Amino acid sequence: DIVMTQSPDSLAVSLGERATINCKSSQSVFHSSSNENNLAWYQQKPGQPPKLLIYWASARESGVPDRFSGSGSGTDFTLTISSLQAEDVAVYYCQQYYSAPRTFGQGTKVEIK
Amino acid sequence: QVQLQESGPGLVKPSQTLTLTCTVSGGSVSSGSYYWSWIRQPAGKGLEWIGRIYTSENTNYNPSLKSRVTMSLDTSKSQFSLTLSSVTAADTAVYYCARFSCSVGSCLPDQDWGQGTLVTVSS
Repeated sequence: DIVMTQSPDSLAVSLGERATINCKSSQSVFHSSSNENNLAWYQQKPGQPPKLLIYWASARESGVPDRFSGSGSGTDFTLTISSLQAEDVAVYYCQQYYSAPRTFGQGTKVEIK
Repeated sequence: QVQLQESGPGLVKPSQTLTLTCTVSGGSVSSGSYYWSWIRQPAGKGLEWIGRIYTSENTNYNPSLKSRVTMSLDTSKSQFSLTLSSVTAADTAVYYCARFSCSVGSCLPDQDWGQGTLVTVSS
């Protein structure tokens, strides 16, 4: 299985400031046939299912605010919230869908400082 | 807009078999480009991918659960199901059904999710 490791486990950011979450995979998730990194980011608020934010490491899902951006390639990835809003308080997960079983990072809890 | 809804018993006794159903509305489980998956989340913990089904003959299960998991499709009812045998307290979790799409050579992550259903394993 591909192991996904996120850092930090939690972070507190002031409103309007930048939040950065890292995700590292135990092996490359770059898919040569599609020329894409099979890496997604999800946002989960309490009592709700995860919501897909980013796929292909950097493609924003329809309707996701542009303050959310993803970057990285191979084994190292980053989710950035450029200007944290109150509604962004949540747990964020990365997921690799390069190979089965699909695996998730342990989650990063984002709070307001 | 597709909607997915999980249903099943909220309480299961240890050693028994858990069966959950996901009803799909606004779409068909026999749609050629979609795969149907199950994911679970123990309270306060992270997400675990259980497996996915495309057709009755095309399934993929997490090796950690493979010996206890079966997934099936009922196209007439637009439903797919998860069966987990010999449950223990460690199987207590919120269970989500979800779907993702694939095209030639590549797939997407799970884009559409149900709201989840809590299953507690206890005597």
